[in-house]
Amino acid sequence: SQQGEEDPQALSIQEGENATMNCSYKTSINNLQWYRQNSGRGLVHLILIRSNEREKHSGRLRVTLDTSKKSSSLLITASRAADTASYFCATYGMRFGAGTRLTVKP
Amino acid sequence: EAQVTQNPRYLITVTGKKLTVTCSQNMNHEYMSWYRQDPGLGLRQIYYSMNVEVTDKGDVPEGYKVSRKEKRNFPLILESPSPNQTSLYFCASSFSRTLNEKLFFGSGTQLSVL
Repeated sequence: SQQGEEDPQALSIQEGENATMNCSYKTSINNLQWYRQNSGRGLVHLILIRSNEREKHSGRLRVTLDTSKKSSSLLITASRAADTASYFCATYGMRFGAGTRLTVKP
Repeated sequence: EAQVTQNPRYLITVTGKKLTVTCSQNMNHEYMSWYRQDPGLGLRQIYYSMNVEVTDKGDVPEGYKVSRKEKRNFPLILESPSPNQTSLYFCASSFSRTLNEKLFFGSGTQLSVL
Protein backbone atom coordinates (compact mmCIF):
# COMPACT_ATOMS: atom_id res chain seq x y z
CA SER A 1 0.00 0.00 0.00
CA GLN A 2 1.06 3.58 -0.53
CA GLN A 3 2.88 5.16 2.38
CA GLY A 4 2.39 8.79 1.48
CA GLU A 5 -0.81 10.40 0.32
CA GLU A 6 -0.63 13.86 -1.17
CA ASP A 7 -3.42 16.41 -1.10
CA PRO A 8 -4.81 18.11 -3.12
CA GLN A 9 -4.56 16.02 -6.27
CA ALA A 10 -4.31 19.16 -8.37
CA LEU A 11 -3.60 22.81 -7.67
CA SER A 12 -3.69 25.75 -10.06
CA ILE A 13 -2.36 29.18 -9.06
CA GLN A 14 -1.06 32.40 -10.60
CA GLU A 15 2.61 33.20 -10.79
CA GLY A 16 3.76 34.95 -7.63
CA GLU A 17 1.26 33.20 -5.37
CA ASN A 18 2.20 30.64 -2.76
CA ALA A 19 1.43 26.95 -3.23
CA THR A 20 0.80 24.58 -0.35
CA MET A 21 0.46 20.84 -0.64
CA ASN A 22 0.09 18.24 2.05
CA CYS A 23 1.19 14.71 2.75
CA SER A 24 -0.30 12.24 5.20
CA TYR A 25 1.23 8.93 6.16
CA LYS A 26 0.34 5.98 8.32
CA THR A 27 3.41 4.53 10.02
CA SER A 28 6.26 5.82 12.13
CA ILE A 29 9.04 7.44 10.14
CA ASN A 30 12.65 8.46 10.59
CA ASN A 31 12.37 11.03 7.83
CA LEU A 32 10.07 12.28 5.11
CA GLN A 33 11.12 13.42 1.68
CA TRP A 34 9.62 15.58 -1.03
CA TYR A 35 10.29 15.11 -4.73
CA ARG A 36 9.36 16.96 -7.92
CA GLN A 37 8.60 15.44 -11.29
CA ASN A 38 8.49 17.41 -14.49
CA SER A 39 6.21 15.86 -17.05
CA GLY A 40 7.24 12.27 -17.78
CA ARG A 41 10.71 12.65 -16.33
CA GLY A 42 12.45 11.08 -13.36
CA LEU A 43 11.73 12.41 -9.89
CA VAL A 44 14.15 14.88 -8.40
CA HIS A 45 14.78 15.07 -4.67
CA LEU A 46 13.83 18.44 -3.17
CA ILE A 47 14.15 18.23 0.58
CA LEU A 48 14.40 15.77 3.46
CA ILE A 49 13.04 16.47 6.93
CA ARG A 50 13.91 14.21 9.85
CA SER A 51 11.42 13.06 12.43
CA ASN A 52 12.97 15.25 15.12
CA GLU A 53 12.64 18.38 12.96
CA ARG A 54 9.50 20.47 12.73
CA GLU A 55 10.40 22.82 9.91
CA LYS A 56 13.01 23.06 7.21
CA HIS A 57 13.77 25.63 4.52
CA SER A 58 15.52 25.40 1.18
CA GLY A 59 15.35 28.48 -1.01
CA ARG A 60 11.67 29.13 -1.74
CA LEU A 61 10.66 25.80 -0.22
CA ARG A 62 9.41 25.40 3.32
CA VAL A 63 8.55 21.98 4.71
CA THR A 64 6.85 21.28 8.00
CA LEU A 65 6.40 17.98 9.78
CA ASP A 66 3.88 17.08 12.46
CA THR A 67 4.60 13.55 13.64
CA SER A 68 1.64 13.58 16.05
CA LYS A 69 -0.71 14.08 13.12
CA LYS A 70 1.42 12.03 10.74
CA SER A 71 1.41 14.83 8.22
CA SER A 72 3.74 17.14 6.36
CA SER A 73 3.27 20.19 4.18
CA LEU A 74 5.33 21.67 1.38
CA LEU A 75 5.06 25.40 0.77
CA ILE A 76 6.46 26.98 -2.38
CA THR A 77 6.62 30.73 -2.02
CA ALA A 78 6.46 33.27 -4.87
CA SER A 79 5.76 30.52 -7.38
CA ARG A 80 7.03 30.66 -10.95
CA ALA A 81 5.81 29.05 -14.16
CA ALA A 82 8.87 26.77 -13.94
CA ASP A 83 7.46 25.30 -10.70
CA THR A 84 4.74 23.61 -12.76
CA ALA A 85 5.25 19.91 -11.98
CA SER A 86 3.97 17.05 -9.87
CA TYR A 87 5.11 16.85 -6.27
CA PHE A 88 5.40 13.66 -4.26
CA CYS A 89 6.19 12.76 -0.68
CA ALA A 90 7.96 9.57 0.34
CA THR A 91 8.30 7.95 3.71
CA TYR A 92 9.62 4.67 5.01
CA GLY A 93 10.04 2.01 2.34
CA MET A 94 10.55 4.59 -0.39
CA ARG A 95 6.90 4.46 -1.32
CA PHE A 96 5.07 7.32 -3.00
CA GLY A 97 1.53 8.54 -3.32
CA ALA A 98 -0.24 9.73 -6.44
CA GLY A 99 1.23 13.21 -6.08
CA THR A 100 -0.06 16.78 -6.35
CA ARG A 101 -0.14 18.24 -9.82
CA LEU A 102 0.78 21.94 -9.55
CA THR A 103 0.12 24.34 -12.42
CA VAL A 104 1.49 27.86 -12.16
CA LYS A 105 -0.02 30.22 -14.70
CA PRO A 106 2.11 33.07 -16.05
CA GLU B 1 28.65 12.89 -12.86
CA ALA B 2 26.52 10.93 -10.41
CA GLN B 3 23.65 9.35 -12.27
CA VAL B 4 21.23 6.50 -12.78
CA THR B 5 21.13 5.36 -16.39
CA GLN B 6 18.14 3.54 -17.82
CA ASN B 7 17.82 2.08 -21.28
CA PRO B 8 15.95 2.21 -23.52
CA ARG B 9 14.02 5.47 -23.15
CA TYR B 10 11.17 4.20 -25.32
CA LEU B 11 10.20 0.62 -26.13
CA ILE B 12 7.36 -0.82 -28.15
CA THR B 13 6.92 -4.56 -28.13
CA VAL B 14 4.31 -7.26 -28.63
CA THR B 15 2.63 -9.53 -26.15
CA GLY B 16 4.80 -12.41 -25.03
CA LYS B 17 8.12 -11.19 -26.35
CA LYS B 18 10.67 -11.20 -23.53
CA LEU B 19 12.38 -7.90 -22.84
CA THR B 20 14.89 -6.40 -20.43
CA VAL B 21 15.15 -2.81 -19.26
CA THR B 22 18.62 -2.02 -17.99
CA CYS B 23 19.52 0.19 -15.05
CA SER B 24 22.97 1.20 -13.91
CA GLN B 25 24.19 3.59 -11.22
CA ASN B 26 27.69 4.98 -10.70
CA MET B 27 27.37 6.08 -7.05
CA ASN B 28 28.17 2.77 -5.35
CA HIS B 29 24.67 2.73 -3.88
CA GLU B 30 23.53 -0.34 -1.99
CA TYR B 31 19.82 0.14 -2.59
CA MET B 32 18.11 0.01 -5.98
CA SER B 33 14.47 -0.12 -6.89
CA TRP B 34 12.05 -0.28 -9.81
CA TYR B 35 8.77 1.64 -10.03
CA ARG B 36 6.00 1.86 -12.55
CA GLN B 37 3.93 4.99 -12.96
CA ASP B 38 0.39 4.98 -14.28
CA PRO B 39 -2.04 7.91 -14.54
CA GLY B 40 -3.86 8.48 -11.28
CA LEU B 41 -1.94 5.76 -9.46
CA GLY B 42 1.34 7.49 -8.77
CA LEU B 43 4.52 5.46 -8.48
CA ARG B 44 4.18 1.86 -7.41
CA GLN B 45 7.16 -0.15 -6.36
CA ILE B 46 7.80 -3.34 -8.35
CA TYR B 47 10.96 -4.82 -6.83
CA TYR B 48 13.82 -3.55 -4.78
CA SER B 49 17.30 -4.70 -3.81
CA MET B 50 19.07 -3.94 -0.56
CA ASN B 51 22.43 -5.12 -1.90
CA VAL B 52 24.08 -7.59 -4.27
CA GLU B 53 22.15 -10.86 -4.50
CA VAL B 54 19.42 -9.48 -2.20
CA THR B 55 16.11 -8.69 -3.89
CA ASP B 56 12.55 -8.42 -2.62
CA LYS B 57 9.06 -7.84 -3.93
CA GLY B 58 7.45 -4.46 -3.83
CA ASP B 59 3.74 -3.75 -4.17
CA VAL B 60 3.22 -4.91 -7.76
CA PRO B 61 5.78 -7.65 -8.58
CA GLU B 62 3.58 -9.94 -10.70
CA GLY B 63 4.90 -10.43 -14.21
CA TYR B 64 8.36 -9.04 -13.46
CA LYS B 65 11.78 -10.40 -12.53
CA VAL B 66 14.94 -8.71 -11.37
CA SER B 67 18.51 -9.66 -10.62
CA ARG B 68 21.34 -7.99 -8.73
CA LYS B 69 24.56 -9.75 -9.64
CA GLU B 70 26.65 -6.59 -9.47
CA LYS B 71 26.23 -3.57 -7.24
CA ARG B 72 25.86 -1.11 -10.10
CA ASN B 73 23.29 -2.96 -12.24
CA PHE B 74 19.67 -3.85 -11.58
CA PRO B 75 17.87 -5.00 -14.74
CA LEU B 76 14.10 -5.40 -14.94
CA ILE B 77 12.95 -8.43 -16.91
CA LEU B 78 9.53 -9.01 -18.40
CA GLU B 79 9.48 -12.67 -19.40
CA SER B 80 6.11 -12.52 -21.17
CA PRO B 81 4.89 -8.93 -21.41
CA SER B 82 1.18 -8.22 -21.50
CA PRO B 83 -0.71 -5.03 -22.44
CA ASN B 84 -1.41 -4.23 -18.77
CA GLN B 85 2.32 -3.75 -18.34
CA THR B 86 2.22 -0.75 -20.62
CA SER B 87 3.53 1.95 -18.34
CA LEU B 88 6.30 4.41 -17.54
CA TYR B 89 9.08 2.69 -15.61
CA PHE B 90 11.67 4.25 -13.34
CA CYS B 91 14.78 2.87 -11.76
CA ALA B 92 16.10 4.53 -8.62
CA SER B 93 18.98 4.11 -6.22
CA SER B 94 20.09 5.37 -2.85
CA PHE B 95 22.85 4.81 -0.34
CA SER B 96 20.58 3.01 2.10
CA ARG B 97 16.91 2.06 2.33
CA THR B 98 17.21 1.36 6.03
CA LEU B 99 18.24 4.94 6.66
CA ASN B 100 15.68 6.14 4.11
CA GLU B 101 18.30 8.13 2.23
CA LYS B 102 17.25 10.19 -0.76
CA LEU B 103 16.61 8.47 -4.06
CA PHE B 104 18.25 9.24 -7.39
CA PHE B 105 16.03 8.44 -10.36
CA GLY B 106 16.71 7.44 -13.92
CA SER B 107 15.07 9.25 -16.84
CA GLY B 108 12.41 6.60 -17.28
CA THR B 109 11.42 3.99 -19.85
CA GLN B 110 8.10 4.36 -21.63
CA LEU B 111 6.98 0.83 -22.48
CA SER B 112 4.10 -0.03 -24.79
CA VAL B 113 2.99 -3.64 -25.09
CA LEU B 114 0.74 -4.27 -28.08
